[in-house]
Amino acid sequence: EVQLVESGGGLVKPGESLSLSCAASGFTFSDYTMSWVRQAPGKGLEWVSSITGSSSYIYYADSVKGRFTISRDNAKNSLYLQMNSLRAEDTAVYYCTRGLYSSSWYSGYWGQGILVTVSS
Amino acid sequence: EIVLTQSPGTLSLSPGERATLSCRASQSVNSNYLAWYQQKPGQAPRLLIYVASSRATGIPDRFSGSGSGTDFTLTISRLAPEDFAVYYCQQYGNSPFTFGPGTKVDIK
Repeated sequence: EVQLVESGGGLVKPGESLSLSCAASGFTFSDYTMSWVRQAPGKGLEWVSSITGSSSYIYYADSVKGRFTISRDNAKNSLYLQMNSLRAEDTAVYYCTRGLYSSSWYSGYWGQGILVTVSS
Repeated sequence: EIVLTQSPGTLSLSPGERATLSCRASQSVNSNYLAWYQQKPGQAPRLLIYVASSRATGIPDRFSGSGSGTDFTLTISRLAPEDFAVYYCQQYGNSPFTFGPGTKVDIK
């Protein structure tokens, strides 16, 4: 069974940094494209970033480019999102997702989400 | 960036009725790489459809996707009580892989 478990969320002040982790299990992690998708309270879904299995291709939304860094450690079956210079508008539930197939950019599996709150 | 527009914003229907949801792209979606998701309150989204018309595993056949280029449709042939939710489209043909704003299907 595919499992994705996010951790690292919490309350931070504007301008601070936070790192999210996603522990993956139930599949060969290194084979799959992974992504982060977020959802502000009461709002719609926003794609944040994606990374291929070998980390060869990485993409970001314009809203986070230059501030967020996606990475993965295939030996640890883990996906990360380093978030710097956080803003109030980054407040959201952050979902770790896996492509349905190995090279899928869309999200076939989702974690339960982790809340990040940016507030002074 | 490809902007997705979903209509209507809210669709009020009764169980057993047919639902037709639209997703329009500001430019052609590469290879019809368009996905549909369902989200219920307090839950993570669930993939329904990918590459415009392929149903994900375990999705009932009352859900169908169609369209190409810039115009896509999600059809629910007969609404079941568990289908009342918010539906999002996403294009993944070109980065950034944008989502539409969603269509809420609620009970009339």
